[in-house]
Amino acid sequence: QSALTQPPSASGSPGQSVTISCTGSSSDVGGYNYVSWYQQHPGKAPKLMIYEVSKRPSGVPDRFSGSKSGNTASLTVSGLQAEDEADYYCSSYGGSNNYVAFGGGTKLTVL
Amino acid sequence: EVQLVESGGGLVQAGGSLRLSCAASGFTFSSYGMHWVRQAPGKGLEYVSAISSNGHSTYYAKSAKGRFTISRDNSKNTLNLQMSSLRAEDMAVYYCARQYCSSTSCTFDHWGQGTLVTVSS
Repeated sequence: QSALTQPPSASGSPGQSVTISCTGSSSDVGGYNYVSWYQQHPGKAPKLMIYEVSKRPSGVPDRFSGSKSGNTASLTVSGLQAEDEADYYCSSYGGSNNYVAFGGGTKLTVL
Repeated sequence: EVQLVESGGGLVQAGGSLRLSCAASGFTFSSYGMHWVRQAPGKGLEYVSAISSNGHSTYYAKSAKGRFTISRDNSKNTLNLQMSSLRAEDMAVYYCARQYCSSTSCTFDHWGQGTLVTVSS
């Protein structure tokens, strides 16, 4: 069982927006600004999409945005495109006893 | 260009050992903490182990503690993971990842392509 809880699936039509949640606790998501989001296409390595809750690395489209409220972080993908179809994982620093926690992943389907 | 290339995966019997390596290039390896993350077939990401930039500090997830040893050779730009007493549940693609830290947060900004470890019973 993953330390962080994500919905197993999400979907949206091209051009629409979709939000994926990531729920933890005050010991991880709620306690630190170390929330990151990774995109993984089948057979490929994860790719960093969001770090420090809401920052985008260079090269990541601004259609991807992140936020946090309490113990829940969220990834929003706006203007959905076919290439956004992938698995998305959240992660958070979990303190000295649970150094890095990952969510179970959300499969995003573009209808 | 940052590159991380894992090697050393393969088929091993339960109870056996395997040594994974990750060759780094395109950045000053000795300045970055490094990590191993694994992914069992059809499953999500699972954190395995970490090592500080100078190799003096290490961390292991409960699943790896006592069986895996992380190390690095900054002169050769190489990260290693020595795995022993392997179990069926260790079967996964193992990724090495570079840790990037800003003033207020850390993340994994570059990942290797992964190496597959298969454990047979």
